[in-house]
Amino acid sequence: ETGVTQTPRHLVMGMTNKKSLKCEQHLGHNAMYWYKQSAKKPLELMFVYSLEERVENNSVPSRFSPECPNSSHLFLHLHTLQPEDSALYLCASSQDTGANVLTFGAGSRLTVL
Amino acid sequence: AQSVAQPEDQVNVAEGNPLTVKCTYSVSGNPYLFWYVQYPNRGLQFLLKYITGDNLVKGSYGFEAEFNKSQTSFHLKKPSALVSDSALYFCAVRDIPGDTGRRALTFGSGTRLQVQP
Repeated sequence: ETGVTQTPRHLVMGMTNKKSLKCEQHLGHNAMYWYKQSAKKPLELMFVYSLEERVENNSVPSRFSPECPNSSHLFLHLHTLQPEDSALYLCASSQDTGANVLTFGAGSRLTVL
Repeated sequence: AQSVAQPEDQVNVAEGNPLTVKCTYSVSGNPYLFWYVQYPNRGLQFLLKYITGDNLVKGSYGFEAEFNKSQTSFHLKKPSALVSDSALYFCAVRDIPGDTGRRALTFGSGTRLQVQP
């Protein structure tokens, strides 16, 4: 275990469903991130939170909605997704948004039908 | 803007032979550089980083990387490959942070390393 836990590990949803991905870190870190991993493409940074404040939003479609209620928890709310949104969604945390090492969770594999 | 290129989708090497996984980067200033590894069904794990100082950086599992500023490269190396090194390797870069700098790492597309017995 890395100290960053993501649930669920696998999710299948229809295009009209609403679901959420959850990330929890037990490392005392102050920054949390969502990345999208698609095959043979660079990891795409989606959102960055520092001390529960969103500090970076990379032009992500509004059908993805992040929430960071405290420094240990990060959610990604999903609604009216498209099949091309199928990917591995990785959560990561770091001590702060400086030059620190990211600790990743195992990811949530999302399939949109 | 910051960017990373990993020119090889896959690298094949025989066990016991040296391996190199290539990475080039582009930043507006001086870089922070990282290598991560991803094993099947796992998240990315940190291997090593270059911030400043010695151009040769040593990391986990016997890996090392050499920072070359003139070639804007940060290739990952290991003197003797193991079958267990087979995984997906990601290079990442970040501009040295400033008040207006991007705060998060930019990753490459990954290189699959296959070590044959």
